[in-house]
This record gives sequence, structure tokens and C-alpha cells, in this order.
Amino acid sequence: GQNIDQPTEMTATEGAIVQINCTYQTSGFNGLFWYQQHAGEAPTFLSYNVLDGLEEKGRFSSFLSRSKGYSYLLLKELQMKDSASYLCAVRDRRNAGNNRKLIWGLGTSLAVNP
Amino acid sequence: DGGITQSPKYLFRKEGQNVTLSCEQNLNHDAMYWYRQDPGQGLRLIYYSQIVNDFQKGDIAEGYSVSREKKESFPLTVTSAQKNPTAFYLCASSSQSLGTGPKSSYEQYFGPGTRLTVT
Repeated sequence: GQNIDQPTEMTATEGAIVQINCTYQTSGFNGLFWYQQHAGEAPTFLSYNVLDGLEEKGRFSSFLSRSKGYSYLLLKELQMKDSASYLCAVRDRRNAGNNRKLIWGLGTSLAVNP
Repeated sequence: DGGITQSPKYLFRKEGQNVTLSCEQNLNHDAMYWYRQDPGQGLRLIYYSQIVNDFQKGDIAEGYSVSREKKESFPLTVTSAQKNPTAFYLCASSSQSLGTGPKSSYEQYFGPGTRLTVT
């Protein structure tokens, strides 16, 4: 079947580095997304990985290992405004020909403390 | 500025009434989606549309209906048949273009959401 696992909650300190893991199971992997969602707001796109390796975007980086069904989002120099939920989503090419349907994880709620 | 709008932000209805949530985008995206988000449940797909005049059921379509008469608009009707309609509803859109190959992400852009409360 299709399944995505990520930790429910994490806590970190301002200025530190935090790694949020995501593991997935799908037979038709076609890309992995990370989104950030502040409480009561819409998710916003952070990163996309379809090939193995690290993608860096400023303070945020995302890593993918397709053979292990594993990704992580790395946040550096944490700021208070990084307190949010981080959603992992996988695109599965088996979804009825619609290449844009995603399978969503439940999200990791990150609290950044001063 | 291009983006997705949803209105209203908060909506209150009495049980037994149908209610329509609006979603408009000016990103020229072909694909549009409706999700609901409940605490502890993550995002669940209600309906999606890849092109005008076509839409498909998502994972939890029962009690909902949609239309896609214009590329820019994808309204969602929450009918009285929906047993637990109180939720946060999110509309999204994504590009249908082929892009530049495997690294094309076609990421979904979300509207600000509508929080529906039915009592």
C-alpha cells in the first residue's frame, strides 16, 4: 500500500539545526515534497526531490534516498518563525494517470524555543 | 499578483443546509484540488480536476460536489449528506505543463483556506 511516516512533534532551540525525517512506502514513486504550514494558514511549498541526494535552498535543505524510501528536511539557524508544521508528501505515478495527485503525511509540528 | 483566493475565511452554517465554498486562481493552472484538514488527520483529498469540465473523486468525496466550468474557478459544495462537515477546507492548484523533465515539480499552490463550522 501507500504510507508516509514522520514524527508527530519536535522541539528545538533558536539558532540550532533540526532534521525532520520522513519515510514512505509506494511502488510508483515520482517525487517527494516538503511543505511548511503555520497554524491556521495554508501550506507553502518548501522543496522537491525526485533524484537521490541533497537539494539546498538557503537555510533549508532536503535529502532523498529512493532505495531506502527516506527523506529528511534540514533546517539550519533556526528562527522563532520556523515554528510550524512540516508536511511530507509523495507523488505516486500509479494514481490513475494523474501525475499530480499526492499522498500526504500527517505532518511534524516543530516548536522553536528561545 | 498571481495566486489562489478562497472565500470566506470563516463560514458558519446550520446542520441540514448545503454550503458552497469558492476557489479562484489566476495562475493559469489547469489542475485544481480540494482538501479537508482535520486535527491529527493530515490533508485528505476530496475532489480534483485536471481540466475544465472534468473532475474526479478523491479519497473522501461522499457528501461533496464540485464543478469546473471555468479554468479559474473550482467551487466545492458541502451537502447535507456530509456527516462531519466541520473542518478546514483548502483549495490548491498546479501546473499541467510538462515542464522540463523529471525535475519538474508541478508543486501545488494553496489558497488561504475556509474554516467551516456546522452546528
